[in-house]
Amino acid sequence: DGGITQSPKYLFRKEGQNVTLSCEQNLNHDAMYWYRQDPGQGLRLIYYSQIVNDFQKGDIAEGYSVSREKKESFPLTVTSAQKNPTAFYLCASSPPGANTEAFFGQGTRLTVV
Amino acid sequence: GQQVMQIPQYQHVQEGEDFTTYCNSSTTLSNIQWYKQRPGGHPVFLIQLVKSGEVKKQKRLTFQFGEAKKNSSLHITATQTTDVGTYFCAGRRNNNDMRFGAGTRLTVKP
Repeated sequence: DGGITQSPKYLFRKEGQNVTLSCEQNLNHDAMYWYRQDPGQGLRLIYYSQIVNDFQKGDIAEGYSVSREKKESFPLTVTSAQKNPTAFYLCASSPPGANTEAFFGQGTRLTVV
Repeated sequence: GQQVMQIPQYQHVQEGEDFTTYCNSSTTLSNIQWYKQRPGGHPVFLIQLVKSGEVKKQKRLTFQFGEAKKNSSLHITATQTTDVGTYFCAGRRNNNDMRFGAGTRLTVKP
């Protein structure tokens, strides 16, 4: 089946630890995105990548890092510098071009205690 | 940076009533997309508008894109309980990024 997969669905970490969220797609999409969702604040763009080995900061990149070594993978690391990491994280991908829809993964709910 | 504002934040209606959510961008958009997120789920694409003044319909849903390509609306006629969820607009200025509005959470009382 083609799709975009995020794992795990739920993740718990202790404060001060870095944690990496996985996002894999087999849709052959060039563009990939990471969003953070908090109640009442919609989807905020963390990072996006249009092509392998290239990525751009979104609106709330501080405390996060990404890599795009392979077309199908776009992992997000939540570092200890992120002040409020507990949130629902959504990964998305889309074909090239401005007029293409985004396909979302199921999301990872990260809880930092 | 690009800002996409969406109102209202919440809307509670009686089944059968109409519902509208509005989206405004601080900059001209190349297109606007609408997504629906069911409770506990992830956003799913509904539709895309590209042309100035464009209007599209999907059954009871009507989508509009403003003449200046800065605003958009989604109107649902005669809501049903299956319409429950959060509706997001997303605007693109170019190929490189996609910004979402805060979403409108719709609840429908049977």
